[in-house]
Amino acid sequence: NAGVTQTPKFQVLKTGQSMTLQCAQDMNHEYMSWYRQDPGMGLRLIHYSVGAGITDQGEVPNGYNVSRSTTEDFPLRLLSAAPSQTSVYFCASSYSRVNQPQHFGDGTRLSIL
Amino acid sequence: AQTVTQSQPEMSVQEAETVTLSCTYDTSESNYYLFWYKQPPSRQMILVIRQEAYKQQNATENRFSVNFQKAAKSFSLKISDSQLGDTAMYFCAFMNRDDKIIFGKGTRLHILP
Repeated sequence: NAGVTQTPKFQVLKTGQSMTLQCAQDMNHEYMSWYRQDPGMGLRLIHYSVGAGITDQGEVPNGYNVSRSTTEDFPLRLLSAAPSQTSVYFCASSYSRVNQPQHFGDGTRLSIL
Repeated sequence: AQTVTQSQPEMSVQEAETVTLSCTYDTSESNYYLFWYKQPPSRQMILVIRQEAYKQQNATENRFSVNFQKAAKSFSLKISDSQLGDTAMYFCAFMNRDDKIIFGKGTRLHILP
């Protein structure tokens, strides 16, 4: 099993560009979520999903979109990148509410110039 | 608003010693989950221990144990017989009834040889 796979690991964007951070898990987990981690801060929840077709906003959702068309994939979209979105992004998944979040991806380091 | 506070930004202890990391949180809910996560220099997030608020018994995982004081809204992590591999950032986290997780800002722990 690969666990939670995030791609890419690093990305540099210019202000105004769009991109999608990919997240895939092969554990048949219902719960998936996206976090950002900034220096001196803990992780902050961006969006999460309790199952295919269901998404909800977390603590800092502005500037990000998500969709969950399959159980396996949970992409995060930046429609118009801003320097404030420079961060390390983590995707996580878990089997159930009780066990969440248990599995994290290795993170994507995103820089917006 | 629900908050998680880790009052110790950084700590250092000698190898084999016992160390306690503090965490307090604020919520009006009665049923919730608490977590401790470890983030080593590799940046990967690793779940260390989980506590369910309705359980009075403190959770333990090998050398890791918690002191959960629900009335005081305190959730400290004790690491016994500390090892060099325990060097990492440690994050306390709270999950509310809406499945949203809030992280503290972390404690950087150094285990000295």
